[in-house]
Amino acid sequence: DQQVKQNSPSLSVQEGRISILNCDYTNSMFDYFLWYKKYPAEGPTFLISISSIKDKNEDGRFTVFLNKSAKHLSLHIVPSQPGDSAVYFCAAAANNAGNMLTFGGGTRLMVKP
Amino acid sequence: DAGVIQSPRHEVTEMGQEVTLRCKPISGHNSLFWYRQTMMRGLELLIYFNNNVPIDDSGMPEDRFSAKMPNASFSTLKIQPSEPRDSAVYFCASRLNSGGGGEQYFGPGTRLTVT
Repeated sequence: DQQVKQNSPSLSVQEGRISILNCDYTNSMFDYFLWYKKYPAEGPTFLISISSIKDKNEDGRFTVFLNKSAKHLSLHIVPSQPGDSAVYFCAAAANNAGNMLTFGGGTRLMVKP
Repeated sequence: DAGVIQSPRHEVTEMGQEVTLRCKPISGHNSLFWYRQTMMRGLELLIYFNNNVPIDDSGMPEDRFSAKMPNASFSTLKIQPSEPRDSAVYFCASRLNSGGGGEQYFGPGTRLTVT
């Protein structure tokens, strides 16, 4: 029973264009969401987070959108750069806490020069 | 800051042997997490500690797995006896539990291969 799903295992985007990575969740108790980026042979690194009291959070080229009614969140990267090529994981937690994260399966983003 | 440190980075062992994975969290962080990443199951939480006390170990797959945190700067994950299906990348992460929000910081992982 996957509570957090990333339905696209991979995504290819041209440099300079927008990358949109999607994530769906089923547990209505989740109220805190995070995106992590992972390069090969490294651990995941935190990118950006959003609390359920917001519907958008922006940090430089990265913006996360949350649609609570649809139980859907997305990460927008604009403009995309070749260095953004990595696996992106979304994660969710309940009670607005960072413990007990449930991760999605990841989406491999490839940004072509 | 050195970040979360894990050792060894790679471990190859034979079935039936004991394996011990080590983790040093970021200084000052009071929560520590052990994760396992496999192709089939993705990234799954095994156990987490808060102030050196195990809080939730419901993700530990079997009694063959055990984890300890004797002090705030060190934790171990032990598998005894190891089996080929334990082959995976094991990550340790730490976090400053500030009562809400706050991201987890991951170590580089230990790639375990059990033959």
